[in-house]
Amino acid sequence: EIVLTQSPATLSLSPGEKATLSCRASQSLSNYYLAWYQQIPGQSPRLLIYGASSRATGIPDRFSGSGSGTDFTLTINRLEPEDFGVYYCQHYESPPLSFGGGTKVE
Amino acid sequence: QVQLVESGGGVVRPGKSLRLSCAVSGFTSGSGLTFSDYAMHWVRQAPGKGLEWVATIPDDESDEYYVDSVKGRFTISRDNSKNTLYLQMNSLRTEDTAVYYCARDLGLHGGVFDYWGQGTLVTVSS
Repeated sequence: EIVLTQSPATLSLSPGEKATLSCRASQSLSNYYLAWYQQIPGQSPRLLIYGASSRATGIPDRFSGSGSGTDFTLTINRLEPEDFGVYYCQHYESPPLSFGGGTKVE
Repeated sequence: QVQLVESGGGVVRPGKSLRLSCAVSGFTSGSGLTFSDYAMHWVRQAPGKGLEWVATIPDDESDEYYVDSVKGRFTISRDNSKNTLYLQMNSLRTEDTAVYYCARDLGLHGGVFDYWGQGTLVTVSS
C-alpha cells in the first residue's frame, strides 16, 4: 500500500503570490501515476493535474505539476482569490488507490 | 455536459444497510463514448477530514476493487442500461459516516477521477 505525505499542512499566502505544494510517496510511482485535486469549501473535488504534469481540461496554465519517482510538486503561479482551498495528491499506481492528507492554501 | 447525481444517503443505525445510487448523464457529448465505456469509482470524505477512495468497477465489470476497511461489507455495481452506479453498504459502522462521491474515470491508465458528483451524506449513528 502506497502512503502519500503532503507538506506543508497549511500554506498562508496572499493573492498574486506563488504556492508550492509537495507530495511524497512511500514508494516510487512508475509512469508518473500521480494526480492533483482542488477542493473549495462546500464543493466537490476538481481534477487539476494527472500524469504528474498534464493539466486537466479547462485548468488554467497557472497550475503546473512536476516530479517523478517519490517526490512531486504542484505549483500555483500568481494565486487568484478562487484558488484558496485544499489540495490533495492521489496515486493511481494500482489498487488500493490513496490520497495524501491535503494542503490547505489560505 | 457531464453530470453525476448521487442519492440514497441518510441516517442509519450501526449494523444496518444502505444503497447509494449515482445517475449519470452527458457522457456522450463530443466523445461518442457512453457510460458503459468508463470505469467508475466511489470516494468518501468523513466530516472535516480528507478524501478516501472506497471502490472501483471497470467498464467491463471484469473485477471490483475495494479499500480494505470496506471489503466484505460494501459492493460496487453498475447498470449500464440505466446509466447508474451503485454502492451497496452492509454492516455499517460509525466510521463509515461520510459524504460519498461517485466519480468517473478519466480513461487512461485508470484511477484518475475527472468528474465528480455533488455527494450524498451517510450518517451511521445509534
